[in-house]
Amino acid sequence: EAGVAQSPRYKIIEKRQSVAFWCNPISGHATLYWYQQILGQGPKLLIQFQNNGVVDDSQLPKDRFSAERLKGVDSTLKIQPAKLEDSAVYLCASSLLGQANNEQFFGPGTRLTVL
Amino acid sequence: AQSVTQLGSHVSVSEGALVLLRCNYSSSVPPYLFWYVQYPNQGLQLLLKYTTGATLVKGINGFEAEFKKSETSFHLTKPSAHMSDAAEYFCAVSEVSGTYKYIFGTGTRLKVLA
Repeated sequence: EAGVAQSPRYKIIEKRQSVAFWCNPISGHATLYWYQQILGQGPKLLIQFQNNGVVDDSQLPKDRFSAERLKGVDSTLKIQPAKLEDSAVYLCASSLLGQANNEQFFGPGTRLTVL
Repeated sequence: AQSVTQLGSHVSVSEGALVLLRCNYSSSVPPYLFWYVQYPNQGLQLLLKYTTGATLVKGINGFEAEFKKSETSFHLTKPSAHMSDAAEYFCAVSEVSGTYKYIFGTGTRLKVLA
């Protein structure tokens, strides 16, 4: 079974530039998550999709971050414009149904450096 | 709001020694509990989880954890550390209603000394 795929793995940009990350979840997984992991901290949920609908985006900085999951499969996360404090690893995860006891499967992450 | 506390951001043990990583949560309703491991430049991998039933949970790679409701704890243990256990370990709780989102602790980096 293929895992969660993410690209790019690394990205370096200057502040005020825009950047986009891509995620392909495990086939058949209805729920997709984007997390932000700042160095020295645990992952923080940014947005959760159930199929192509948003379930929770309460911690997404909507003035600069946006995400979409067209057709309920792949997803993109965009930052525009980027700030220095956006430097982090962005993790994508998926789970079968999004229920409390469902395991979340994580991709390798995209490491973003904002200069 | 729920929170997760992992005591000790860095833990060092000798190879063959007991591994004990601590996790406490705050919740009026016992949540579902998870331990994940993260190796360098990789995503998180599930070690074990507690949902209901037996409070002692066994996971992969010889790890186990015990849910203690009275202590609001879910500490991770392994009887004998191996060099390959060096990684970062995250405790997480999941809400048992609503969106079931995970709240992660800040992580504990385990170093295994030869």
